[in-house]
Amino acid sequence: QSVLTQPPSVSGAPGQRVTISCTGSSSDIGAGFDVHWYQQIPGAAPKLLISGNNYRPSGVPDRFSGSKSGTSASLAITGLQAEDEADYYCQSYDSSLSGVVFGGGTKLTVL
Amino acid sequence: QVQLVQSGAEVKKPGASVKVSCKASGYAFTNYYIHWVRQAPGQGLEWTTMINPGGGITSFTQGFQGRITMTRDTSTSTLYMELSSLRSEDTAVYYCARGDRYGNFDYWGQGTLVTVSS
Repeated sequence: QSVLTQPPSVSGAPGQRVTISCTGSSSDIGAGFDVHWYQQIPGAAPKLLISGNNYRPSGVPDRFSGSKSGTSASLAITGLQAEDEADYYCQSYDSSLSGVVFGGGTKLTVL
Repeated sequence: QVQLVQSGAEVKKPGASVKVSCKASGYAFTNYYIHWVRQAPGQGLEWTTMINPGGGITSFTQGFQGRITMTRDTSTSTLYMELSSLRSEDTAVYYCARGDRYGNFDYWGQGTLVTVSS
């Protein structure tokens, strides 16, 4: 059972907008620790998508954006494309566990 | 360019140990934390441990207490993660990843599949 909670799956048609939520607690996201998002294509290593809540590393399209409020964070993807079909993970740090924590992952299906 | 290159797949019997390497290049080796993240078949990402730039283990998940040893060779910029007393539930792809104290993994190794089976 993951410390951060994500929906198991989301879906959307090409061109649509989807959001993926990530819910934590007062010892991780709510304590002010940053949230980072990763995209993982099956069979490949994860790739950093959003850093520090809302920063896009070089090369990440501006269709991807992140936000954080209170004990939760969200990843938004606009203008869905077939290539966005992947697993998405949020990540933060937990002060009570003294360690890095991940969400359980969300499978995005492009219809 | 920054690269993390890991050692090849391993098959081990229950109770044995495995040592996985992660060779870093393209950046100042001692300036970043290296974390180990594993992914069991069909499952999500699980953080296991990290080593700080100074070479000391900073933290690890409870399930690894007493079973994990992290070492590094600064002359070759290589990190080693050794996991002992292997059990079937340790079967997973193990990734090394570069980051800071709190995660933020900007570069990942290609992963090393460790299979524990009798």
